[in-house]
Amino acid sequence: QVQLQQWGAGLLKPSETLSLTCAVYGGSFSGYSWNWIRQPPGKGLEWIGEINHSGSTNYNPSLKSRITISVDTSKNQFSLKVRSVTAADTAVYYCARLEDSPGGYYFDYWGQGTLVTVSS
Amino acid sequence: DIQMTQSPSSLSASVGDRVTITCRASQSISSYLNWYQQEPGKAPKLLIYAASSLQSGVPSRFSGSGSGTDFTLTISSLQPEDFATYYCQQSYTTPYTFGQGTKLEIK
Repeated sequence: QVQLQQWGAGLLKPSETLSLTCAVYGGSFSGYSWNWIRQPPGKGLEWIGEINHSGSTNYNPSLKSRITISVDTSKNQFSLKVRSVTAADTAVYYCARLEDSPGGYYFDYWGQGTLVTVSS
Repeated sequence: DIQMTQSPSSLSASVGDRVTITCRASQSISSYLNWYQQEPGKAPKLLIYAASSLQSGVPSRFSGSGSGTDFTLTISSLQPEDFATYYCQQSYTTPYTFGQGTKLEIK
């Protein structure tokens, strides 16, 4: 059974750097894309970006200038950093696995979510 | 970016009702459309992928249809545990985008 467990700081001040890590337990780490998705309180879902096991990344252009996604294959972990945060970055952040099947791509396993609040 | 528009934004229904939620893409996405259910305080859960394929373990009362730009999620007979928020999501191209959500409430 695949499980994603995530952690990171939950309270930041404006201009600080958000840092989250997601560990993958069970299943294969290679052969999948590993993603970050966020959800502002009471709002919808926004895809942040993805990384594969070899370190190739793909970012949402709306955030690309401020984010870095990295991978540590020795630990089956991947991480997100968002620089220069503002109140607009306040959200629940999820890590998720993207399955690539003959029928398409979909997020089939998700982390538990981490609420990150940006406030002075 | 591909814009995904769901309707309605909210819906009141009763246990046993048949419910349909619609999702429209701003351009053709073939069948690269997924549906998720989200309960308050929880991560989204995959229900339907590739427009009409039922994810393993999801009850058969959930079904999806459509291709191109217009898609539907149908719940054939609402159960108490189905009252949640539903999101569509396109995986045709990045950035992957989601609909704004449909909140299904008890009448």
